[in-house]
Amino acid sequence: DVKVTQSSRYLVKRTGEKVFLECVQDMDHENMFWYRQDPGLGLRLIYFSYDVKMKEKGDIPEGYSVSREKKERFSLILESASTNQTSMYLCASSLQGDLFDTQYFGPGTRLTVL
Amino acid sequence: AQSVTQLGSHVSVSEGALVLLRCNYSSSVPPYLFWYVQYPNQGLQLLLKYTSAATLVKGINGFEAEFKKSETSFHLTKPSAHMSDAAEYFCAVTKRNQGGKLIFGQGTELSVKP
Repeated sequence: DVKVTQSSRYLVKRTGEKVFLECVQDMDHENMFWYRQDPGLGLRLIYFSYDVKMKEKGDIPEGYSVSREKKERFSLILESASTNQTSMYLCASSLQGDLFDTQYFGPGTRLTVL
Repeated sequence: AQSVTQLGSHVSVSEGALVLLRCNYSSSVPPYLFWYVQYPNQGLQLLLKYTSAATLVKGINGFEAEFKKSETSFHLTKPSAHMSDAAEYFCAVTKRNQGGKLIFGQGTELSVKP
């Protein structure tokens, strides 16, 4: 079974702090994604990556950056956290050869910025 | 541009009743369509997907969905609801050569009454 793990289930940070959210997948998937989930808005794509050291902006990249130094790990960085970044963050991965784009999700990190 | 609309942010049914969750999409080319489910405090998992092989798609846990091109719909159904079906359901769309990017609907929360 594919396993996608996220470093924290719950996180509380203060405004202005630098925040790192880590995601690791164990199935050698090329594609990795970061979403944020907010009530009534569904999932919105922040950043994604097709390969090591490669990244592309999603629909809402402002205020975020990412890092992919190893194939299995994709990190989301909030350079200076703000209260409007309080949300659920979901990481996902998929196989590049899978034309039908099934994504496998981690359990999520619920981030609260005070 | 592609988009997905889920009609009804909350749906409540009695145990044993029919479940119907609505999803309409817009896409200029034949889409690939997905339903994901999110149980409380968990990540998303794939219920089923339409990839143009058959218009009626069967998924896990007794769910199925029918692709209707004329109605641009991909509604999710289950003949008899179970208490364990209580969760949030997301419809998503992509198309060939999107590199794994999914567009999600807003989500529908399903409640099942005893």
